[in-house]
Amino acid sequence: GESVGLHLPTLSVQEGDNSIINCAYSNSASDYFIWYKQESGKGPQFIIDIRSNMDKRQGQRVTVLLNKTVKHLSLQIAATQPGDSAVYFCAEQNQGGKLIFGQGTELSVKP
Amino acid sequence: SAVISQKPSRDICQRGTSLTIQCQVDSQVTMMFWYRQQPGQSLTLIATANQGSEATYESGFVIDKFPISRPNLTFSTLTVSNMSPEDSSIYLCSVEERLDSYEQYFGPGTRLTVT
Repeated sequence: GESVGLHLPTLSVQEGDNSIINCAYSNSASDYFIWYKQESGKGPQFIIDIRSNMDKRQGQRVTVLLNKTVKHLSLQIAATQPGDSAVYFCAEQNQGGKLIFGQGTELSVKP
Repeated sequence: SAVISQKPSRDICQRGTSLTIQCQVDSQVTMMFWYRQQPGQSLTLIATANQGSEATYESGFVIDKFPISRPNLTFSTLTVSNMSPEDSSIYLCSVEERLDSYEQYFGPGTRLTVT
């Protein structure tokens, strides 16, 4: 079956450092991936996405890397700030358009 | 991106009762979905709300327990029926805007506690 999982459930970083959040997926046929940020008491917020025909995509302070060979996805946050503290979810979209969410990683930024 | 609102934002309900959650979008969208997020866990898709027809439910979710309506392209409701404490969760609606991508955006969620 399809599954998307995260390697680390929690991540603690110092303010100003870079953060890397990892995710593994199992369905090699998935062609679209999204990273979401969820702050306490709020719905998931779209951060960045990537299609399977790309291996890297950059946004503002964030970069998503896709390695289809090993079915691995990562989110890099540059110069992490206290406002980045949240739970981060990767999600995989299958051919039916449904999103399958990973476990979630809680990012804690220490001032 | 579309602005999504949900009502109520939270509720505390007694077991055996039902609660209807509303999802309103500020623009017409093609796809609307309902998710459940149990405490401390990830999101699980309940169903796809289809405009003008019956919702499409995922494995483990049934219409009798989670009836869904979608009368138009900007509004949907999810009812949690005959509630038990196990139904305590955050319920989220999401929308997909099929422009040049398949980005899916979420509402703020409804936090339900069943006592």
